[in-house]
Amino acid sequence: SQQGEEDPQALSIQEGENATMNCSYKTSINNLQWYRQNSGRGLVHLILIRSNEREKHSGRLRVTLDTSKKSSSLLITASRAADTASYFCATVQIQGAQKLVFGQGTRLTINP
Amino acid sequence: EPEVTQTPSHQVTQMGQEVILRCVPISNHLYFYWYRQILGQKVEFLVSFYNNEISEKSEIFDDQFSVERPDGSNFTLKIRSTKLEDSAMYFCASREDSGNTIYFGEGSWLTVV
Repeated sequence: SQQGEEDPQALSIQEGENATMNCSYKTSINNLQWYRQNSGRGLVHLILIRSNEREKHSGRLRVTLDTSKKSSSLLITASRAADTASYFCATVQIQGAQKLVFGQGTRLTINP
Repeated sequence: EPEVTQTPSHQVTQMGQEVILRCVPISNHLYFYWYRQILGQKVEFLVSFYNNEISEKSEIFDDQFSVERPDGSNFTLKIRSTKLEDSAMYFCASREDSGNTIYFGEGSWLTVV
């Protein structure tokens, strides 16, 4: 079954550095969405990239999508302590109810 | 900004009891979802709902689970007879139309004891 898988599972960097998280999936998609989750909280939508798009920017976020490799990356530039959270990619299939299928997530820690 | 709201934020229940989790999706949205996240694990799809019926459900969504849209605003998840393994955060989500962003609520944390 389709599944988003992030790597690394955990990432710890210094404030001000860039953080890159990767996601791979298995089947054809309509779009891919990245979410952030602070510990014990809800899922906050960050960015949606469609299957015909290759790159999208939103503030300090940059997302790429390579449908030939079935992979995506999320780059957070100039990281801040407040960026500490878990980040999930989730894919939406072309067919069906267009539900999100989540990966395991990357736990990002920004050290001040 | 419109948001998905969920109640209760936290519920503790005895094993075997019925639980109803409530959600108010964003008002012009047409597609509704329930997901769950067991502590430390990934977010799992339970069910999707469109045009007043279930459009897809996962194998987790067995006969103990049901969903309802009793009026124009609420969307509920009922667990008929809770088990210990039902302890999880339950997220409601909605989207406006095909291919659009799916927005999540803050979740309802269910603890079964």
